[in-house]
Amino acid sequence: AQSVTQPDIHITVSEGVSLELRCNYSYGATPYLFWYVQSPGQGLQLLLKYFSGDTLVQGIKGFEAEFKRSQSSFNLRKPSVHWSDAAEYFCAVGVSGGYNKLIFGAGTRLAVHP
Amino acid sequence: DGGITQSPKYLFRKEGQNVTLSCEQNLNHDAMYWYRQDPGQGLRLIYYSQIVNDFQKGDIAEGYSVSREKKESFPLTVTSAQKNPTAFYLCASSIVTGGNHEQYFGPGTRLTVT
Repeated sequence: AQSVTQPDIHITVSEGVSLELRCNYSYGATPYLFWYVQSPGQGLQLLLKYFSGDTLVQGIKGFEAEFKRSQSSFNLRKPSVHWSDAAEYFCAVGVSGGYNKLIFGAGTRLAVHP
Repeated sequence: DGGITQSPKYLFRKEGQNVTLSCEQNLNHDAMYWYRQDPGQGLRLIYYSQIVNDFQKGDIAEGYSVSREKKESFPLTVTSAQKNPTAFYLCASSIVTGGNHEQYFGPGTRLTVT
């Protein structure tokens, strides 16, 4: 079955440290992969996406993610976290199914201490 | 400025009443989606539509209904048959051709039913 797993429900870090949010997916074909960010009470904003080509993709707000086919992973990274990065982060995989279907992980809530 | 609007941002209803959530987009997208978000569960698809006058059930359609009379609009009705309607509702849209699965999200409507 197609699925997305984000193993960390909550992560707390201090401002200025590096960050890695984990995402693992289960899908038989080459996936389309996405990271979205959601501030409290807001909609989802696309951070970055992977369709093909270079497995290291750059996104907005200084984020990047690396697609590792052998590990079925698409982890999100940022070298230095800012207090404004506190939000919920969702990994999603696009799968075939008659329409542009997205399957979302349960999300990782990030808290940043000053 | 293209985007998706959802109204109202907050909605309060008494149990047993139907309520309609508005979603409008000016991105010229053919496909539109409704998701429900509950804490710790990510996003779950309620309904989607790939073309005017056509829509399909998603994973949790029971107790909900939609219409798609115009390309720009995809209202969601939460009926009294929905057993647990209190949630955050997100509308999204995407292109249909190209298949990159990227979806654009509105700001959401928080529905509280008491």
